[in-house]
Amino acid sequence: GAVVSQHPSRVICKSGTSVKIECRSLDFQATTMFWYRQFPKQSLMLMATSNEGSKATYEQGVEKDKFLINHASLTLSTLTVTSAHPEDSSFYICSALPLAGQETQYFGPGTRLLVL
Amino acid sequence: TQLLEQSPQFLSIQEGENLTVYCNSSSVFSSLQWYRQEPGEGPVLLVTVVTGGEVKKLKRLTFQFGDARKDSSLHITAAQPGDTGLYLCAGVGTGGFKTIFGAGTRLFVKA
Repeated sequence: GAVVSQHPSRVICKSGTSVKIECRSLDFQATTMFWYRQFPKQSLMLMATSNEGSKATYEQGVEKDKFLINHASLTLSTLTVTSAHPEDSSFYICSALPLAGQETQYFGPGTRLLVL
Repeated sequence: TQLLEQSPQFLSIQEGENLTVYCNSSSVFSSLQWYRQEPGEGPVLLVTVVTGGEVKKLKRLTFQFGDARKDSSLHITAAQPGDTGLYLCAGVGTGGFKTIFGAGTRLFVKA
């Protein structure tokens, strides 16, 4: 149980285009999902907290207009990187909290984004 | 701001050796998780510890939560090449569900 999927697993795009990444909880409902960014050989950096039916909460320094988050259902959150630039190239990972009050996050497999 | 200091950041050992990874903070956590991550993949949950002083074992891995719930350790006995990976500790603050991650320990076990 507690499986989280991400799609696509890797994407290459041209500078200036937008990329959408999907995060799905496959066998549970998640009122809260998180989006992280990870640079090579570094730990995870929280970008935003996504709550179903409400606006996402962004961490300091993360541009909400550049990284659009939508959590339209209890099993799906999307992250759209708008007008991507090479510096946005990174490994993006989502996680989900199975139940309200639970504290353990379950992570997706990650999406590798390369912006040319 | 809560911080979680993880050490060592890098460890290279021979197969069969033992090792311990530490996570320390000045803050109290309501729970702490340990994850293992392989290159190009998301972190996989190993264990969650909740109670101060709690010890959990997962085969050759032993996890301990400090009595004051401010620190934790991961001990691996007789490490194997398959243990190679990035180990992350993550603490959940007492004020909510926001999780703080340690910097990670990159373990390399040589055959």
